[in-house]
Amino acid sequence: AQSVSQHNHHVILSEAASLELGCNYSYGGTVNLFWYVQYPGQHLQLLLKYFSGDPLVKGIKGFEAEFIKSKFSFNLRKPSVQWSDTAEYFCAVMGENFNKFYFGSGTKLNVKP
Amino acid sequence: DAGVTQSPTHLIKTRGQHVTLRCSPISGHKSVSWYQQALGQGPQFIFQYYEEEERQRGNFPDRFSARQFPNYSSELNVNALLLGDSALYLCASSVREPFANTGELFFGEGSRLTVL
Repeated sequence: AQSVSQHNHHVILSEAASLELGCNYSYGGTVNLFWYVQYPGQHLQLLLKYFSGDPLVKGIKGFEAEFIKSKFSFNLRKPSVQWSDTAEYFCAVMGENFNKFYFGSGTKLNVKP
Repeated sequence: DAGVTQSPTHLIKTRGQHVTLRCSPISGHKSVSWYQQALGQGPQFIFQYYEEEERQRGNFPDRFSARQFPNYSSELNVNALLLGDSALYLCASSVREPFANTGELFFGEGSRLTVL
């Protein structure tokens, strides 16, 4: 079975700092990768996704992620975080039957104003 | 447009009881999935339904069951509740399945179940 690892459980940054959240997955075949975000009091929503093509994917709100196949990684980045980016971020890989997602355990980001 | 709606939002049960959680997908979405999110963990897949048919089942005991109705709404049932079933139960809908072409699930805000 596939699995996803997020090594940073809790990250605290000041506004304008750069962000990189790690994500590693365990599947060796063709992968579809995602980052979901959950803002306080809200539901999970899609931040960005990778299916194929350019390994550098751009999402909403200035976020981007880079797929590095050789490292089985899909790290999330943002050059300059804002207080409104405070949320929990989940990396996910789509299952082999394309009917389910495997989620990481999440990273809580706290941005101090 | 309404998003995915779930009910109830919070509930408390005791061990051994049964619970039914309900989900209404976004209008036009035919696929509904259920996930369990324990405290401090990411969502874990339970079931996926498409047009009333169970398409995929996760690694959960038979105490967990679900169904989807002709209007695409869904219920998740858990029998003989255990303390470990305490979690946030998330419903997610998608236009179609498999998800390969869209890759997006639309999540509800969840039903938080506490088992005492």
